[in-house]
Amino acid sequence: GENVEQHPSTLSVQEGDSAVIKCTYSDSASNYFPWYKQELGKGPQLIIDIRSNVGEKKDQRIAVTLNKTAKHFSLHITETQPEDSAVYFCAASIRQGSNYQLIWGAGTKLIIKP
Amino acid sequence: DAGVIQSPRHEVTEMGQEVTLRCKPISGHDYLFWYRQTMMRGLELLIYFNNNVPIDDSGMPEDRFSAKMPNASFSTLKIQPSEPRDSAVYFCASSLRLVSHEQYFGPGTRLTVT
Repeated sequence: GENVEQHPSTLSVQEGDSAVIKCTYSDSASNYFPWYKQELGKGPQLIIDIRSNVGEKKDQRIAVTLNKTAKHFSLHITETQPEDSAVYFCAASIRQGSNYQLIWGAGTKLIIKP
Repeated sequence: DAGVIQSPRHEVTEMGQEVTLRCKPISGHDYLFWYRQTMMRGLELLIYFNNNVPIDDSGMPEDRFSAKMPNASFSTLKIQPSEPRDSAVYFCASSLRLVSHEQYFGPGTRLTVT
């Protein structure tokens, strides 16, 4: 079946440095790619998303890039802060018959070292 | 709006018992999703509803699991009988649209089956 691979599973960076999380997807028809942040004890929360007609999108310290040819997309966090510590999930939309759904990556635990 | 509400937040039960998880979606959202999260399998979509009608239940692991949405403001996920391997965090999420729209997650129910 369709899947989304996410790397790395754990990422530790020094406060103030940048963090990059990468995902690859298998369905060439996927056209929506959200990123969710999950803090301890909470449900995932959308932080940024990108659609297939756009190559890059930025929102303050967060950016997402999409390469449809290679079928991969990445999350970039600059000037990392302690509150960025969380688990980050990527996802890609897929169509199964008449139904759509999101396929989720396995998650990346981001640790910001003070 | 108070966001997606789930109850209980924690549930500990013995193997063989019936478990009922509850969810109140955000008012006006047409879609409701039930997810299960474990360390081994990550975030899995179990079932989703559109306007109270189940659309895709292909993620429901087996007949012991059932979900209902009797009205637009309430849904239940029932496990009968429960087994230790059902131990996980169960999330409910709601969305205005199916694709390309944010899914708003509840805080989750942590289920432990002993």
